[in-house]
Amino acid sequence: AQSVAQPEDQVNVAEGNPLTVKCTYSVSGNPYLFWYVQYPNRGLQFLLKYITGDNLVKGSYGFEAEFNKSQTSFHLKKPSALVSDSALYFCAVRDRTTDKLIFGTGTRLQVFP
Amino acid sequence: DAGVTQSPTHLIKTRGQQVTLRCSPKSGHDTVSWYQQALGQGPQFIFQYYEEEERQRGNFPDRFSGHQFPNYSSELNVNALLLGDSALYLCASSLQGANNQPQHFGDGTRLSIL
Repeated sequence: AQSVAQPEDQVNVAEGNPLTVKCTYSVSGNPYLFWYVQYPNRGLQFLLKYITGDNLVKGSYGFEAEFNKSQTSFHLKKPSALVSDSALYFCAVRDRTTDKLIFGTGTRLQVFP
Repeated sequence: DAGVTQSPTHLIKTRGQQVTLRCSPKSGHDTVSWYQQALGQGPQFIFQYYEEEERQRGNFPDRFSGHQFPNYSSELNVNALLLGDSALYLCASSLQGANNQPQHFGDGTRLSIL
């Protein structure tokens, strides 16, 4: 069965420091991987995706993610965190034969001034 | 270019009632997926509509049903509401066959069951 794990319920980081939000996945074959962000009382906003090619993917708002096939991970990163980055982050996988997204449980990112 | 729009934004119902939620997809998209996001959890896939037919379904009971109209908009219906149906219901749109492209989400309908 396909699944996504986000092992940290919350990540705290000081403004200006680098941040990492972890994600691991389990899926047969090669996956399509996505990161979404959710602000309070809002839907999900797309940040970035991995389809194929370069393992380091760059996305919106300065975020990037590193795909590691051997570790089945797709960690979200940002070199310098902003207070405005504080939100709920979801990792998701989509099977290449379907259009269904499978989400992790989410990680709340708190960036402190 | 309008994104995904959902209505209403909030809804309060009582147990046993029925509810209909609505979604208009992003311009150019022809596929609509519905997700349920319970408090503190990630979104769970309910079903997907394309060409006015249900194409895929997640692990949800038959109380959850849907419809897609010729203009690609969609409705989610839930019958015999239970307290556990309280959640944020998200609609996402996409273009059929473009699985390497992200789904676009609306802001959701928050359903509260009393």
